Amino acid sequence: KNQVEQSPQSLIILEGKNCTLQCNYTVSPFSNLRWYKQDTGRGPVSLTIMTFSENTKSNGRYTATLDADTKQSSLHITASQLSDSASYICVVTVYNTDKLIFGTGTRLQVFP
Amino acid sequence: EPEVTQTPSHQVTQMGQEVILRCVPISNHLYFYWYRQILGQKVEFLVSFYNNEISEKSEIFDDQFSVERPDGSNFTLKIRSTKLEDSAMYFCASSQASNTGELFFGEGSRLTVL
Repeated sequence: KNQVEQSPQSLIILEGKNCTLQCNYTVSPFSNLRWYKQDTGRGPVSLTIMTFSENTKSNGRYTATLDADTKQSSLHITASQLSDSASYICVVTVYNTDKLIFGTGTRLQVFP
Repeated sequence: EPEVTQTPSHQVTQMGQEVILRCVPISNHLYFYWYRQILGQKVEFLVSFYNNEISEKSEIFDDQFSVERPDGSNFTLKIRSTKLEDSAMYFCASSQASNTGELFFGEGSRLTVL
């Protein structure tokens, strides 16, 4: 069954600190992996998209990694800001379909 | 910056009533999608739409649901006879390319079925 699991479920960090969020997937066949940021009650906003051949991609203070062999991805946030407080969702696309498989997300709270 | 817009932002309806959720995708996008998110749960794919027809749908998208693009700009999701379990946030999304393209989501329409 195609699944995307994320950990931790929630995370609290202090402003300025770094953090890493994890994603494991069992989606097959694989097309690409995406990370989204979702503020409460808002639509998801794309952070990165990585294909099978990419193992790292950055977007400002966000850096995503992908290990297609172990089917794991991580999202590293550097020098966190209060505005980083949101849910971060790992999403995997099934090859040759429009279907995106969403994880349940990691809820990040950044405190001053 | 171009964005996907959705209306209404919140709709409350009685069970059994028909509901139409509206979306205006980004103008040069060709692929359109509906997703839903039940409160506290993960986002789920409902349907994709390209070239004026459904290209893919999930098992959630049963006969109670329909989509259409009545003109060049709007993309609508109709729920024919709402059930309590249809209460969710419904997100419209669009992209220039299917599968590999970046997906832009709207802010969502919250549907509450009483």
